[in-house]
Amino acid sequence: GNSVTQMEGPVTLSEEAFLTINCTYTATGYPSLFWYVQYPGEGLQLLLKATKADDKGSNKGFEATYRKETTSFHLEKGSVQVSDSAVYFCALSDRNTGGFKTIFGAGTRLFVKA
Amino acid sequence: DADVTQTPRNRITKTGKRIMLECSQTKGHDRMYWYRQDPGLGLRLIYYSFDVKDINKGEISDGYSVSRQAQAKFSLSLESAIPNQTALYFCATSDENRETGELFFGEGSRLTVL
Repeated sequence: GNSVTQMEGPVTLSEEAFLTINCTYTATGYPSLFWYVQYPGEGLQLLLKATKADDKGSNKGFEATYRKETTSFHLEKGSVQVSDSAVYFCALSDRNTGGFKTIFGAGTRLFVKA
Repeated sequence: DADVTQTPRNRITKTGKRIMLECSQTKGHDRMYWYRQDPGLGLRLIYYSFDVKDINKGEISDGYSVSRQAQAKFSLSLESAIPNQTALYFCATSDENRETGELFFGEGSRLTVL
């Protein structure tokens, strides 16, 4: 079956540091890939997405590229801010009978220090 | 106002009690989902509904039931709560007309079973 594996946290960085959170997936079809972010006390919200191989999703300075050859969708940001402290979830959505089902990774907590 | 609203936001109950978590949405989406979040496990799908007459079990449906009262309302019930159902529960919706399966989340309902 489909699965998503992302690096364990927590990840602690200083402000303006470079961020990478690794995510790899297993899927039988051609899924869409997502990064969701959960700020403290809130629900998840979509950060970025990519729907086919070699697509690059980007938002708020974050980027991730859909790599079919390595089955990866790593999240990167060149210069993190304190406000980026949150939990980040990699997710895969695959079309099933009647609609999509989404599978999430375990989440990676990011702490950014001033 | 939030597009996806969950009530209650926090609930403490005792083992054996019946609990209902409610979700309503104003996004006009046909598809609704209940997820459970536990530390280190990400989000796991409990039940999902692709329209009012369609209810499907997810990966961890044992001990839970759902009701889709209308397009906009999807409630989750624990008939006899037990301590390992202590978790953060999220309702989500998706739009069948978007070909990516992007999810829109409520703010979560934190349930503690003593």
